[in-house]
Amino acid sequence: GAVVSQHPSWVICKSGTSVKIECRSLDFQATTMFWYRQFPKQSLMLMATSNEGSKATYEQGVEKDKFLINHASLTLSTLTVTSAHPEDSSFYICSARDRGNGYTFGSGTRLTVV
Amino acid sequence: GQNIDQPTEMTATEGAIVQINCTYQTSGFNGLFWYQQHAGEAPTFLSYNVLDGLEEKGRFSSFLSRSKGYSYLLLKELQMKDSASYLCAVEAAGNKLTFGGGTRVLVKP
Repeated sequence: GAVVSQHPSWVICKSGTSVKIECRSLDFQATTMFWYRQFPKQSLMLMATSNEGSKATYEQGVEKDKFLINHASLTLSTLTVTSAHPEDSSFYICSARDRGNGYTFGSGTRLTVV
Repeated sequence: GQNIDQPTEMTATEGAIVQINCTYQTSGFNGLFWYQQHAGEAPTFLSYNVLDGLEEKGRFSSFLSRSKGYSYLLLKELQMKDSASYLCAVEAAGNKLTFGGGTRVLVKP
């Protein structure tokens, strides 16, 4: 089946620094990938749609300058949380539309900003 | 806007059946997904409905009524490992997946 690899699985960073999260489709090409954020005991909230070779589309209320998305190839999208603050601590998950018209999710990244 | 509602929590006994309801109001409709998510892990796919009716997959079944904006996930012969959150998600306009708040199911012995 389709596999999406996401790493790191967890990261702790200091306030003010930047963190990059990678999402790779391993056995299929993904022209579109999606980035979600999930706070404890809440559901997944779509942050942005990452489009290969073009700019990402951000959901309302998501700061594009803070959450930089790059989708430079058909198998890789990256999310960079810039100047991270404690309120950015969350579970970040990527997903991609797979061959069967479903969505495959990465394993998620637990970000803790101290 | 998109509005997807499901109960916050449900408790059931091992071996029993539980039905998780999901109602939705979305801009467009391309299909409805159900996912299972254990704490700290990514969601895993359970079912997909695009046409009205019941889809059965082993112990899990999912039903859709597009005219009513309603779906349910049925879990039979509950096992302890079924304790998890169950997420209803609708693929609507723009081919984006929007999630409901999730239902935490607790299976008791």
